[in-house]
Amino acid sequence: DIQMTQTTSSLSASLGDRVTISCRASQDISNYLNWYQQKPDGTVKLLIYYTSRLHSGVPSRFSGSGSGTDYSLTISNLEQEDIATYFCQQGNTLPLTFGAGTKLELK
Amino acid sequence: QVQLKESGPGLVAPSQSLSITCTVSGFSLTSYGVHWVRQPPGKGLEWLGVIWAGGSTNYNSALMSRLSISKDNSKSQVFLKMNSLQTDDTAMYYCAREGRTTVPYYFDYWGQGTTLTVSS
Repeated sequence: DIQMTQTTSSLSASLGDRVTISCRASQDISNYLNWYQQKPDGTVKLLIYYTSRLHSGVPSRFSGSGSGTDYSLTISNLEQEDIATYFCQQGNTLPLTFGAGTKLELK
Repeated sequence: QVQLKESGPGLVAPSQSLSITCTVSGFSLTSYGVHWVRQPPGKGLEWLGVIWAGGSTNYNSALMSRLSISKDNSKSQVFLKMNSLQTDDTAMYYCAREGRTTVPYYFDYWGQGTTLTVSS
């Protein structure tokens, strides 16, 4: 199975900050990397798929980049509604696997 | 609009089996696959399996012997069945739609989740 590592389990930032969340795969996943946002009430939403493609309705302050084994999600201008936990997920090979999540908190 | 909603028993005794239903609207199960994902309390997400539009399935090999996913297209329902439940099966269970683009294996819409507690 492909292991997905999010080395930062929690991150503190201020409103308006630029925030970057990282994710590393245990092998090359050929850009098949997706990002999800989970709110404290458990609601999960897709943000970005295939490394950098923005899902419909997702604000443009979210962006993704990366290649090979290393990927990142950037929030360019942090807003209150972005306070959540962010998970990466590889879609290269079954079984599909997720990172452990990065919890974003307000400083 | 696209919606998925899980419903389940809430509480199940150890060694028993469970069935969770995902009822969808705003799209057809004959056109989209549906995945199951779970999240134990305070932990990360675990992919369980998928039923594709044509009815074929893929499972997480770690759970395959205990899992079964099926569907009723006419009722817009997908079913997750798991047997021999243990306390570490306690989790929030989500169903999620497969994103239908040329890119495979991502989930574009999720249900709200249903909580399952395995306890005597």
